[in-house]
Amino acid sequence: EAGVTQFPSHSVIEKGQTVTLRCDPISGHDNLYWYRRVMGKEIKFLLHFVKESKQDESGMPNNRFLAERTGGTYSTLKVQPAELEDSGVYFCASSQRVGRETQYFGPGTRLLVL
Amino acid sequence: GNSVTQMEGPVTLSEEAFLTINCTYTATGYPSLFWYVQYPGEGLQLLLKATKADDKGSNKGFEATYRKETTSFHLEKGSVQVSDSAVYFCALTRGTGNQFYFGTGTSLTVIP
Repeated sequence: EAGVTQFPSHSVIEKGQTVTLRCDPISGHDNLYWYRRVMGKEIKFLLHFVKESKQDESGMPNNRFLAERTGGTYSTLKVQPAELEDSGVYFCASSQRVGRETQYFGPGTRLLVL
Repeated sequence: GNSVTQMEGPVTLSEEAFLTINCTYTATGYPSLFWYVQYPGEGLQLLLKATKADDKGSNKGFEATYRKETTSFHLEKGSVQVSDSAVYFCALTRGTGNQFYFGTGTSLTVIP
């Protein structure tokens, strides 16, 4: 069974540009999560999809971040325009159910904004 | 609120040494507790978990016991190997919410 995949693995952009990150969850997992780790700090929750609906987006830092999950399969996270403080590692995770269910993480996308 | 505190790293040990990585938590309700590991160049992998007080999670020689009285979930291994070099993250989820709360991660390097 394929795990969670993320693309790209690395992205270097200049301040003010736009970047789109993609996540493909484990097949059959309705729940998809985005997290971010900034500068060696803790990994922080951004948002949670159940199928194509946003269940919880309380962790999204501001309106420069837009997440979508059309069709309830893969998800994209767009940052527009990117700022220096957006640099970090963006992780995607998926789970079959919610609650105390284990979340399965992808390898992450390392974003560097110059 | 909900939070996880891990011991600061980096930690450097010799092969076959005993490992302890401390983790304490603050949470409302009754959380489930997890240890994830990130090997160099890879994503986060579940190492072990415990869902209720006094449960012991174990995997690959690692163990952690859910201690409600001390709100702790310390990770231990009796004899580390070079291949255990990685970053270890302690995490919790409350169950009623769906997000995980992570600690800052502890980097472990095991030298031959």
